[in-house]
Amino acid sequence: DAGVIQSPRHEVTEMGQEVTLRCKPISGHDYLFWYRQTMMRGLELLIYFNNNVPIDDSGMPEDRFSAKMPNASFSTLKIQPSEPRDSAVYFCASSFSPGAQETQYFGPGTRLLVL
Amino acid sequence: AQKITQTQPGMFVQEKEAVTLDCTYDTSDPSYGLFWYKQPSSGEMIFLIYQGSYDQQNATEGRYSLNFQKARKSANLVISASQLGDSAMYFCAMRDAIDSSNTGKLIFGQGTTLQVKP
Repeated sequence: DAGVIQSPRHEVTEMGQEVTLRCKPISGHDYLFWYRQTMMRGLELLIYFNNNVPIDDSGMPEDRFSAKMPNASFSTLKIQPSEPRDSAVYFCASSFSPGAQETQYFGPGTRLLVL
Repeated sequence: AQKITQTQPGMFVQEKEAVTLDCTYDTSDPSYGLFWYKQPSSGEMIFLIYQGSYDQQNATEGRYSLNFQKARKSANLVISASQLGDSAMYFCAMRDAIDSSNTGKLIFGQGTTLQVKP
C-alpha cells in the first residue's frame, strides 16, 4: 500500500510568493495532520482534519496560513504571502482514528525555503 | 500538561552493539500511546514502535524494543545489534486519548541524534 504522499518534496520561493503544499493520506485514514519542523521549535502540529473537516487549527501560526481538505484523498496547506521565517520542513501525517493507540504515518515531508 | 523529554542530544554506539535512547513523559491521562520515530538524514519520519499505556508487556519490533517503566514514566528505545543505517535522529512521541481538551495530536520530544561507528 502507498504511504502518505506529499508534493513537492522541495520548494524554494521568494518572500511574498504563494506556496501550496499538497498531501494525499493513506486510503481509509479519516484523520489528517499537518506538522511543521524547525530547529528552534521542533515538530509542532499546525492543523488536523477529521473526515475532511478542520477540527483544530490552533497551531496555525498566522492568517497567512490556510489549509483545506476538499475530499478524503487530498489536502493542501497554503502560505500566502510567504516569509523567510516560514522556512521549515512541513509534514503531513494520517491515522485511522484519533485514539491514543493509533499510529500516525508521516509523509516524506516538503522542505520549504523562502528567500 | 503533556510533555516528552529526551535528555540525550547525541549518542554514539559501536556497530553491532546495543544502545538505549532515553525518553520520559508526563501526562495526567491514564490512556496514552508512546511512539518512536526515526528520521534519517533524508528527512522522512519513519514509525518504529508503539507502546500502549495499558500494555502489560514491553513492545518489540525486530531489533527495536521499548523498555516501558510506567511508574517512572519512561519509555526508552533499545536498538540491538546496531547497524550503520541506524544513524539518524530518533524522536519519542506521545498521544493522549481524545477528550474535550486535546486533539489526540502527537507531542514530540526534542530528539536524539544517534551515530553508529564502524
